[in-house]
Amino acid sequence: DAKTTQPNSMESNEEEPVHLPCNHSTISGTDYIHWYRQLPSQGPEYVIHGLTSNVNNRMASLAIAEDRKSSTLILHRATLRDAAVYYCILRDVVLREGAQKLVFGQGTRLTINP
Amino acid sequence: AAGVIQSPRHLIKEKRETATLKCYPIPRHDTVYWYQQGPGQDPQFLISFYEKMQSDKGSIPDRFSAQQFSDYHSELNMSSLELGDSALYFCASRVLAKNIQYFGAGTRLSVL
Repeated sequence: DAKTTQPNSMESNEEEPVHLPCNHSTISGTDYIHWYRQLPSQGPEYVIHGLTSNVNNRMASLAIAEDRKSSTLILHRATLRDAAVYYCILRDVVLREGAQKLVFGQGTRLTINP
Repeated sequence: AAGVIQSPRHLIKEKRETATLKCYPIPRHDTVYWYQQGPGQDPQFLISFYEKMQSDKGSIPDRFSAQQFSDYHSELNMSSLELGDSALYFCASRVLAKNIQYFGAGTRLSVL
């Protein structure tokens, strides 16, 4: 599995945008970039994923560098409920069915200040 | 909307005992994944099932076994429990052609 690198922790203020970076310099052409988050005492939760183009959904935006060696998860207006560990994960789209496990790396612990 | 159901939510066992964790995936989801999260650690993949057949295996001890039944629910059986097995165990499910895993709330296993 290709490796990702994220900062250990980040801090932001409520109602401000948050940009969470992820480096994946060894990404392959068939790797999707996935983001999951884990709120305290809960199971991981899907946030967003993309391949090459920037993606938006109701939770966040994903900006992918042109060379795909890095990406940034953007929370447009952080709330206290966004405090969580955010994981950037690469998943190979060509893996056989049922073999697409998630490999969780270190993740970024996001703290939101009121 | 229906979510992934795990039972029990909490389980306390003694060393060398056995434990069975259950997972009920979202209806019409055909793939189940099991993950283990030790204290202060990130989730680690254990095993997965696609259409009731084991599809992938991670760092699952030989003392653990799992299966997926005809109704798609899955059970993780853990024998000869050790103190180091104390962890959160998450189950996730996924539907064919959708690249998203949905996680349950987890089972917290404490081995004393």
